Amino acid sequence: EVQLLESGGGLVQPGGSLRLSCAASGFTFSNYAMSWVRQTPGKGLEWVSTISDSGDYTYYAESVTGRFTISKDKSKNTLYLQMTSLRAEDTAVYSCALYGRYQMQYFDYWGQGTLVTVSS
Amino acid sequence: IVMTQSPATLSVSPGERATLSCRASQSIRNNLAWYQQKPGQAPRLLIYGASTRATGIPARFSGSGSGTEFTLTISSLQSEDFAVYYCQQYNNWPREYTFGQGTKLEIK
Repeated sequence: EVQLLESGGGLVQPGGSLRLSCAASGFTFSNYAMSWVRQTPGKGLEWVSTISDSGDYTYYAESVTGRFTISKDKSKNTLYLQMTSLRAEDTAVYSCALYGRYQMQYFDYWGQGTLVTVSS
Repeated sequence: IVMTQSPATLSVSPGERATLSCRASQSIRNNLAWYQQKPGQAPRLLIYGASTRATGIPARFSGSGSGTEFTLTISSLQSEDFAVYYCQQYNNWPREYTFGQGTKLEIK
């Protein structure tokens, strides 16, 4: 059974940093691309970033380019999102999402998410 | 690409048919997925490729459309189907993915 468990969310001041983690199990981690998606009541669902199965390729939404970094540790079966220069508009529930095998188009599984609040 | 879902809220009685719409601001061919999300739960993949049901999804869920107009139909609503439904386009993967704002399907 695929399980995705996010952690690392919390309250951070504007301009601060935070690192989110997504512990993955139930599948061969190194064989799948993954993403981070965030959700707010006002803006709905927003794709944030994607990393290829190998970890060699990364992609970002314009809104986070240059501030966020996605990575994966195959030895720990964990996906990360390093967030810097945080802004109030980054406040959201952040979820990791798993693509299906051999594709990077839609998300077969999602985690429950971790809440990030950017406020002074 | 902007995705627009309608209506925002749809009230339907159990056993009836529900039709949810999703429109893309430009052609996305058939590069569309649908998800269901219940309160406190992660989204669940229902449909990809505009019309292909994901593994384990009941046959009462069907998707149609191509280009800019898409529809999710639930043929006979069950109590567990009342949730929020989102469409997602992936026409320019892996550099762009956008979601509709969601349609809340509620019990009439």
